[in-house]
Amino acid sequence: AQSVTQLDSQVPVFEEAPVELRCNYSSSVSVYLFWYVQYPNQGLQLLLKYLSGSTLVKGINGFEAEFNKSQTSFHLRKPSVHISDTAEYFCAVLVGNNNDMRFGAGTRLTVKP
Amino acid sequence: EAQVTQNPRYLITVTGKKLTVTCSQNMNHEYMSWYRQDPGLGLRQIYYSMNVEVTDKGDVPEGYKVSRKEKRNFPLILESPSPNQTSLYFCASSFGTGNTEAFFGQGTRLTVV
Repeated sequence: AQSVTQLDSQVPVFEEAPVELRCNYSSSVSVYLFWYVQYPNQGLQLLLKYLSGSTLVKGINGFEAEFNKSQTSFHLRKPSVHISDTAEYFCAVLVGNNNDMRFGAGTRLTVKP
Repeated sequence: EAQVTQNPRYLITVTGKKLTVTCSQNMNHEYMSWYRQDPGLGLRQIYYSMNVEVTDKGDVPEGYKVSRKEKRNFPLILESPSPNQTSLYFCASSFGTGNTEAFFGQGTRLTVV
């Protein structure tokens, strides 16, 4: 069975600083990987996804993530964060054609002025 | 506008009083699912449905029921709610081919007293 580990439950950072939110997964078969963002009092919306091809994936709002098969990681990065990026971020994995999507516990990103 | 609609957004109820949380999607998605979100645990799947009249248990199905009589609707039923079902609930839908992202509703915050 696959699982997802988000290594940091909370990440405080100052505005305009770079940020990396870490995600590791465990699966013995090929996977599809996703990052979702949840703004306060809202549902989850897709930031970016890796299905195949280039291991560097660009998403909305200036975020990007790199799929590293040997490290089984899919870390999310942004070179310069804004106050509006304050939210909870979830890494998720989908195995093959199985619709069972597994989520990490989430990372709360707080951007301070 | 493509969306997943949940109702109600907020609900406070008493132990043992049956309730239903509705979920409707307008994207003709085959796959629908329910998750509960609890602090430090991320999203855990309660039930899912691959198509009309096809439902199956997720990771935490105890205390919940679902039905899928029409493609667009997937209600979550709590026959006898208990305080440990106090949580934030999300409905999600996708095309069900396995490599597409899920679309989420806005969430239902349920408190059982």
